[in-house]
Amino acid sequence: AQSVAQPEDQVNVAEGNPLTVKCTYSVSGNPYLFWYVQYPNRGLQFLLKYITGDNLVKGSYGFEAEFNKSQTSFHLKKPSALVSDSALYFCAVRDVDDMRFGAGTRLTVKP
Amino acid sequence: NAGVTQTPKFRILKIGQSMTLQCTQDMNHNYMYWYRQDPGMGLKLIYYSVGAGITDKGEVPNGYNVSRSTTEDFPLRLELAAPSQTSVYFCASSYLEVAYNSPLHFGNGTRLTVT
Repeated sequence: AQSVAQPEDQVNVAEGNPLTVKCTYSVSGNPYLFWYVQYPNRGLQFLLKYITGDNLVKGSYGFEAEFNKSQTSFHLKKPSALVSDSALYFCAVRDVDDMRFGAGTRLTVKP
Repeated sequence: NAGVTQTPKFRILKIGQSMTLQCTQDMNHNYMYWYRQDPGMGLKLIYYSVGAGITDKGEVPNGYNVSRSTTEDFPLRLELAAPSQTSVYFCASSYLEVAYNSPLHFGNGTRLTVT
């Protein structure tokens, strides 16, 4: 089965600094990878996805993700973090009729 | 534009009670899903539906039932609530099935506590 792992439970960054939220994947075949964000007491919101093509994928709210096949990674990045980016972030991979989610990484951006 | 609407937002059940979590979407999506979210565990698929009248089990279906009589509604039924079902439940929908890489649209969740 396809799976993703998020090695960090928590990431803390200062406002204005670049941020990275890590994700590694394990798949058979081509990976179809997603990032979602969850704000408090809300459902998950789609940020971006990688299907094929350019390894750098741009998404909502200034986020981007870099697909690295040799390192089996799909890290989420943003050049300059905002306090409002503080949320729970989930990496996910398509698996037949399902979307398999990582455990989530809580991002805290401090002013 | 309501999207995916879930009711209730919160519920406390006693062991052995039953309840139905409601989910409705107004985007005319064929595909609908129920997930549960437990701390540090990500989301696990309970049941899904590819259209009215068609449902199928996900990764963790035991203790739950679903029905899909219309395109808009996809209720989740708990027949005999157990403490292990304490969780946050999310309903989601998509235009195309996940196999076509369509992203999911989520409701705001139902927080259920079974004591």
